[in-house]
Amino acid sequence: ELKVEQNPLFLSMQEGKNYTIYCNYSTTSDRLYWYRQDPGKSLESLFVLLSNGAVKQEGRLMASLDTKARLSTLHITAAVHDLSATYFCAVVPISAGNQFYFGTGTSLTVIP
Amino acid sequence: EPEVTQTPSHQVTQMGQEVILRCVPISNHLYFYWYRQILGQKVEFLVSFYNNEISEKSEIFDDQFSVERPDGSNFTLKIRSTKLEDSAMYFCASSEGRGVGEKLFFGSGTQLSVL
Repeated sequence: ELKVEQNPLFLSMQEGKNYTIYCNYSTTSDRLYWYRQDPGKSLESLFVLLSNGAVKQEGRLMASLDTKARLSTLHITAAVHDLSATYFCAVVPISAGNQFYFGTGTSLTVIP
Repeated sequence: EPEVTQTPSHQVTQMGQEVILRCVPISNHLYFYWYRQILGQKVEFLVSFYNNEISEKSEIFDDQFSVERPDGSNFTLKIRSTKLEDSAMYFCASSEGRGVGEKLFFGSGTQLSVL
């Protein structure tokens, strides 16, 4: 069974602090996505990572991919309240067409 | 910016009733998808659709489910006889292609409640 696991599931952090969310997956994949979801809202694409060692940054968020370890990280730098949301990673197995497998999600709360 | 639109935003139905969830994908996109998210759980793939036929479907997408593109703009998900466990947020998504790096653009979802 394909697994996409994130940790932590819940994260409460103070403004200004740094933290990393981890996404482990159990399949061979050539792409990994990070999405953000605000409560009651849809999924907003943050990053697409396509190769081993890929690193992408947008504002206070930086995502990386290690395909050999089947691990992606989402690093938050100097958190602000606006980053409070649930973050999902998603992988597409090489054999699965365009079927996205989402992780369990990490609910992030940034406390002033 | 183009977006995927879904209607209705909320749907309440009685167990055993049929429901149709509607989606208008982004106009130049060719691939369409339905995902669902049971409250507090992860997003799960249901089905993908291309060129007027199903490309892939998950185990969740059984005979009670069907999809259709009745015209050039709408993409629908029908659940023939709803069950309590069908209660979830249903997301429609579309993509321009299905190559490596293609992003899925998601709609705002339809919250289905089966009573």
